[in-house]
Amino acid sequence: DSGVTQTPKHLITATGQRVTLRCSPRSGDLSVYWYQQSLDQGLQFLIQYYNGEERAKGNILERFSAQQFPDLHSELNLSSLELGDSALYFCASSSSGTNKANEKLFFGSGTQLSVL
Amino acid sequence: AQKITQTQPGMFVQEKEAVTLDCTYDTSDPSYGLFWYKQPSSGEMIFLIYQGSYDQQNATEGRYSLNFQKARKSANLVISASQLGDSAMYFCAMRENGEKGGADGLTFGKGTHLIIQP
Repeated sequence: DSGVTQTPKHLITATGQRVTLRCSPRSGDLSVYWYQQSLDQGLQFLIQYYNGEERAKGNILERFSAQQFPDLHSELNLSSLELGDSALYFCASSSSGTNKANEKLFFGSGTQLSVL
Repeated sequence: AQKITQTQPGMFVQEKEAVTLDCTYDTSDPSYGLFWYKQPSSGEMIFLIYQGSYDQQNATEGRYSLNFQKARKSANLVISASQLGDSAMYFCAMRENGEKGGADGLTFGKGTHLIIQP
């Protein structure tokens, strides 16, 4: 158990809908990262938050947004969903926002999103 | 250009044999970290081992070791005495310090699907 909690585990929804994925980082970790894993794109970095503030942006669509709350949990909001958004969405956390090369990321179990 | 290359999409190995999973990387940053993660069929990503670019010795964690050849830019994962439970996807990943200070988190390879046969 990595200590990173993601809910829900599975989510099935329809095109055009909006969903929210939730992540609680490991106790004491200040940074949260969101990744998308799909068969064709592999694991893609979406966005990072550190202590409530956006720190870095990757390949995140404009229809997607995230935030990190004062208790350090994070939510990833996906709107106007398309079939191609079906993927496994991971949250990861790390202890600091130093973003040094040796900083390990610990992943949650992921949320499997299916858009029908 | 791909930063992390894993050339073995799939591998079949007999139980108790040693396994080497290949990973090559591309970076001009002198400071970087290399990671291996395991993803079993249940889906979670499990951290296995880390190697820093300035580390003089190869990293080891139990049955896992990392064969780090800096000049060749390779970071192969070696699993000794493989077990049935080692069957999973294995991902090599890199984090650079660089201008953004590594803020993009990890860059992953496409993965190797390892199947251990009894």
